[in-house]
Amino acid sequence: GESVGLHLPTLSVQEGDNSIINCAYSNSASDYFIWYKQESGKGPQFIIDIRSNMDKRQGQRVTVLLNKTVKHLSLQIAATQPGDSAVYFCAESWNTGFQKLVFGTGTRLLVSP
Amino acid sequence: EAGVAQSPRYKIIEKRQSVAFWCNPISGHATLYWYQQILGQGPKLLIQFQNNGVVDDSQLPKDRFSAERLKGVDSTLKIQPAKLEDSAVYLCASSLAWTGYNSPLHFGNGTRLTVT
Repeated sequence: GESVGLHLPTLSVQEGDNSIINCAYSNSASDYFIWYKQESGKGPQFIIDIRSNMDKRQGQRVTVLLNKTVKHLSLQIAATQPGDSAVYFCAESWNTGFQKLVFGTGTRLLVSP
Repeated sequence: EAGVAQSPRYKIIEKRQSVAFWCNPISGHATLYWYQQILGQGPKLLIQFQNNGVVDDSQLPKDRFSAERLKGVDSTLKIQPAKLEDSAVYLCASSLAWTGYNSPLHFGNGTRLTVT
């Protein structure tokens, strides 16, 4: 399939390491944040989300941290596996009469065995 | 559950030709979205439907792009006439309700459009 993110920032890690992917968001009115994983040739896949009234949320091997003071979001992946290799996008959402969702620029994660 | 279905998977056309993409959302999902993803970028929303009404089309180039959602289920996105800069992946997504907590977007695998 085609490659997503030929010129995106890249994070290279070894299998078994922990990965941290960072994202800066732009709208101080954003009240909901989501991380998506996109593999080559596929659509984005939901990983984890967090509301603005929280600063941390954990899933299976993933943790999202939210720092509203500096408008920063991070995704931590524990014990990274080769199957985690993909492009990761953060998205922010805010209410404008309906909930508007905007994607950020992605980060490509490369996991070496 | 079956995912979001899109067709065709790939399309190559010449500039100034027209093209149409089809999307079948997850059954029961009220909200449907079309996104454009240019290589190396995040998806950009083109249009959002709630049932068969348009909620947001502020970034849709209306002089050449059009979309409709038939009976609140399937949707088609059309480009007429196409320009070189329309080369991108067109992603369809659906969600149970408004985008929000516990109502994440589910994406199809997209249609890769190449305009020559």
